[in-house]
Parts: sequence; C-alpha cells; structure tokens
Amino acid sequence: DSGVTQTPKHLITATGQRVTLRCSPRSGDLSVYWYQQSLDQGLQFLIQYYNGEERAKGNILERFSAQQFPDLHSELNLSSLELGDSALYFCASSVRELSTGANVLTFGAGSRLTVL
Amino acid sequence: AQKVTQAQTEISVVEKEDVTLDCVYETRDTTYYLFWYKQPPSGELVFLIRRNSFDEQNEISGRYSWNFQKSTSSFNFTITASQVVDSAVYFCALRGGGNMLTFGGGTRLMVKP
Repeated sequence: DSGVTQTPKHLITATGQRVTLRCSPRSGDLSVYWYQQSLDQGLQFLIQYYNGEERAKGNILERFSAQQFPDLHSELNLSSLELGDSALYFCASSVRELSTGANVLTFGAGSRLTVL
Repeated sequence: AQKVTQAQTEISVVEKEDVTLDCVYETRDTTYYLFWYKQPPSGELVFLIRRNSFDEQNEISGRYSWNFQKSTSSFNFTITASQVVDSAVYFCALRGGGNMLTFGGGTRLMVKP
C-alpha cells in the first residue's frame, strides 16, 4: 500500500457523461499530481496542485478540471467523455514543493476509466 | 523541453538471464533527477530509484543495478539473474527545473520460466 488512495478503482461510463475521480494523498504530502496512462499516449502529466493551489499544468484537456481541497484530497473531473478518454488515471503525491529538489512521487493504484 | 526515450518496447528473457533496460534522456537543465518506476501486471506504479544529476555513482540494490552516464545522457537499469516476478513494464522518468515528471514510453519485460 503506497499510502495514496484513489477511488473508484474501475469505472465504466458512456460517451458524453461526466465522472469524478478522487485522490487522497499520503499523510503529510502537500502536492498532488494527476497523470493519464493510455495505450497510445503513454504516461502523460495532467496537472499538479500544491496545498490547494494549481502549480503546473500539462496536457490536460479543457473538458477536464481538477481541484485540491483544504483537507488536501483532490478530484479530477472529466466531462463530455469521449472514447479516447478511456485510460488509467493516476494520482501521485509528494511531501513538499519541488523548487529545491526532486522528491519522489508516490503513486496510487490508479482509476481505470472505460468509456463505451 | 524534456524527453525520455526507452528504445526497447519489449524484451523477453528466460529466468536467470541478466537483462539491461536502456534509458536515454534529453534536458537543458543542469540540475535534474532521474527515476525508474516498475508497473507490474496489477497496474500500480512502484518507485525503484532516484538519481541526481550531480551524482554519477552507480548503484546496486540486490539484483538491481543502475548505470548513470551523463556523457551519453543515459540511465540504464540492469536486472541480474532475472525472475518471473520481475515481469512488468519499467518506466524511466526525468524531472528538471519544473515540477513535471516526464516518463519514457516504457519497456515491457517478460521473464519466462
């Protein structure tokens, strides 16, 4: 158990729908990262939050949004879903801001999204 | 821009063979960090090692060893006496001055009994 909790583990939905993926970071970790792993794109960085604030943005579609709450858990919202959004979505956390050094990202087990 | 290349998409070996997974990276940052992660069939990403750009010492951990060479921008991973449980997808990753961890495409290792 990595200490990073993601729910749900599996989700099947239809095109056009909206889903929310949830992540609880390891105790004490302030940063949360979201990654998407798909067959054709590999592991892609989506977005990072640090203590409630957005810190970095990667290849995140406009149909996707995220937030980090005061208790540090994070949610990734995916809307107007398309077949191509089917992927494994990972959340990761690290203990502090990465401006002075690269802490190790600890990943959750992932949420597998299937869009039919 | 950062880039990580794992040229070997799939490797198949027989148990007890040694195997090396290649990783080549590109970055303009003078300070950066390199990582290896393992993704077993169950799907989670498991951290294996982190290496700083200013520390070129090779590292050995049991049957695992890592060879970091700045001159060739490579950070290769060797498994000695491979076992079936080593079967997984292995990812090399790079973080430079920003917060983003850039992953390579992964190498699927299959260890046959």
